[in-house]
Amino acid sequence: EPEVTQTPSHQVTQMGQEVILRCVPISNHLYFYWYRQILGQKVEFLVSFYNNEISEKSEIFDDQFSVERPDGSNFTLKIRSTKLEDSAMYFCASFSGRLIYNEQFFGPGTRLTVL
Amino acid sequence: DAKTTQPPSMDCAEGRAANLPCNHSTISGNEYVYWYRQIHSQGPQYIIHGLKNNETNEMASLIITEDRKSSTLILPHATLRDTAVYYCIVTYRDDKIIFGKGTRLHILP
Repeated sequence: EPEVTQTPSHQVTQMGQEVILRCVPISNHLYFYWYRQILGQKVEFLVSFYNNEISEKSEIFDDQFSVERPDGSNFTLKIRSTKLEDSAMYFCASFSGRLIYNEQFFGPGTRLTVL
Repeated sequence: DAKTTQPPSMDCAEGRAANLPCNHSTISGNEYVYWYRQIHSQGPQYIIHGLKNNETNEMASLIITEDRKSSTLILPHATLRDTAVYYCIVTYRDDKIIFGKGTRLHILP
């Protein structure tokens, strides 16, 4: 069965450092997403990406965040200068087309710990 | 997006059917009902979705009332591995899923 993969599974960083979270979506998918989940809270939408550009972003996704699809297979989330409150699970997701016809697949997540 | 109301938690005995309710009284005609679940900090997992007809797949059944103001997700024979948070989502969007707080389902041995 196809799956979304994410690396690393756990990232520990110092406040103020840059981090890059990596995702490999399912190969024929067209829509890509990042979500985050702070411990004990709900899963929050960050950004969607389609046709090599951001299609929508939430108010959480400020100038400290960026996304990229550098090589046609990887999809990355960069946090430029991490804050303590960025500590969370970050989930990548992808799907191939309209949600009413296609399910959205989520990766296993990257746990980001900012010290 | 229409709002949904789910109980914060439920218990179900292993081997029994788990019936998870969801109220969406303000749903509009073009909004679909989706169910996802999240097993202990893993990535959310799609279960099923529907518009107005009842739906069934290998994981679950979705029963939508005739007025579409509520729905029930049925896991026919719950196992311990079905312990998870279950999210009922109502949206007309076909490009994004927004999660609420969901129902924490405990399967009891």
